[in-house]
Amino acid sequence: GAVVSQHPSWVICKSGTSVKIECRSLDFQATTMFWYRQFPKQSLMLMATSNEGSKATYEQGVEKDKFLINHASLTLSTLTVTSAHPEDSSFYICSADESGTGYEKLFFGSGTQLSVL
Amino acid sequence: AQTVTQSQPEMSVQEAETVTLSCTYDTSENNYYLFWYKQPPSRQMILVIRQEAYKQQNATENRFSVNFQKAAKSFSLKISDSQLGDTAMYFCAFMKRGGAQKLVFGQGTRLTINP
Repeated sequence: GAVVSQHPSWVICKSGTSVKIECRSLDFQATTMFWYRQFPKQSLMLMATSNEGSKATYEQGVEKDKFLINHASLTLSTLTVTSAHPEDSSFYICSADESGTGYEKLFFGSGTQLSVL
Repeated sequence: AQTVTQSQPEMSVQEAETVTLSCTYDTSENNYYLFWYKQPPSRQMILVIRQEAYKQQNATENRFSVNFQKAAKSFSLKISDSQLGDTAMYFCAFMKRGGAQKLVFGQGTRLTINP
């Protein structure tokens, strides 16, 4: 079946540095990818919708300049957390839709645990 | 805006028992999809079962079945013959129909299957 690869699985960084997370669809093209954030013992909250070749659509309350999303190709979307702070520590998950319908073939990456010291 | 509510933060049953997880949602949409996802300790999101709102027949996948009540906006998950491997967080999720859409998740239910 289709696979979505997300890297790195975990990352530790110093406060003030930037971190890039990659979400790659391995055997299919994804026009749209989604980025979610999950705090400990909480649910997944959508951060932004990533569209290939265009600007991402951010959810209300998500800082565009802090969470930079680039969807440069049909198989790769990246999330860059700029000037990370301890409050950005969280589990970040991406998902990609193979069919474009949202229903039949929606796949999740394995997630990235970000810890900001 | 759509909301999804899971009123059971935690549940615990004995192995081989049947357990039902509750989910209600609120939407003004008529065409949508509903999902149950499992998140084990690995935190990988795994699709358990899905339902198309326009289908009256309840979806089933082996030991997993749903009770979909569209008028009541209820979408419960029944796990039969529960197994230790079913221990996980379970999230109910809503998606509007029409192209690639975002998932709106409930708060989750932590299910523990005891030996």
